[in-house]
Amino acid sequence: EAGVAQSPRYKIIEKRQSVAFWCNPISGHATLYWYQQILGQGPKLLIQFQNNGVVDDSQLPKDRFSAERLKGVDSTLKIQPAKLEDSAVYLCASSLRKGQETQYFGPGTRLLVL
Amino acid sequence: QKEVEQDPGPLSVPEGAIVSLNCTYSNSAFQYFMWYRQYSRKGPELLMYTYSSGNKEDGRFTAQVDKSSKYISLFIRDSQPSDSATYLCAMSGGSGAGSYQLTFGKGTKLSVIP
Repeated sequence: EAGVAQSPRYKIIEKRQSVAFWCNPISGHATLYWYQQILGQGPKLLIQFQNNGVVDDSQLPKDRFSAERLKGVDSTLKIQPAKLEDSAVYLCASSLRKGQETQYFGPGTRLLVL
Repeated sequence: QKEVEQDPGPLSVPEGAIVSLNCTYSNSAFQYFMWYRQYSRKGPELLMYTYSSGNKEDGRFTAQVDKSSKYISLFIRDSQPSDSATYLCAMSGGSGAGSYQLTFGKGTKLSVIP
């Protein structure tokens, strides 16, 4: 079974630029999560999708972050414009269903904002 | 007070030692307790999953949950250099739409020296 795929693995941009990350969850997984992991911290949930609908985006900085999951499979997370404090690893995870299900994480995209 | 507290270490032990990793939490609604292992530049992977109080053993790993003290532990017996990683505790529970969302600790960085 293929795991969660993410790209790119690394990205360096200057502040005020825009950037997008892509995630392909495990086949058949209805729930998809985007987390932000700042160096030395645990992952923090940004947004959760159930199929192609948003379940929770309460911690997503909506003035600069956006995410979509068209067709209920792949997802993209965008930052526009980026700030220095957005430097972090962006992790995508998926689970079979909503609820107390095991979440499987991708390798993450490491973002550095200069 | 943060919801989940975890000593970030770093923790360095000789090969073969018993390792004890701990987290405390404040939200009494948490019922599901997990330990994730995260190797450098990789996504977290689920190591242990426990529901409510009690112990769970899997090979060299033992997870303990004491809900009365709001304290969880992970023990690693006969530690190996391959156990060198960051260990993240995570928990979820309660009622409502956000009950299944994971709240992570900061992670403890463990190094097992040959």
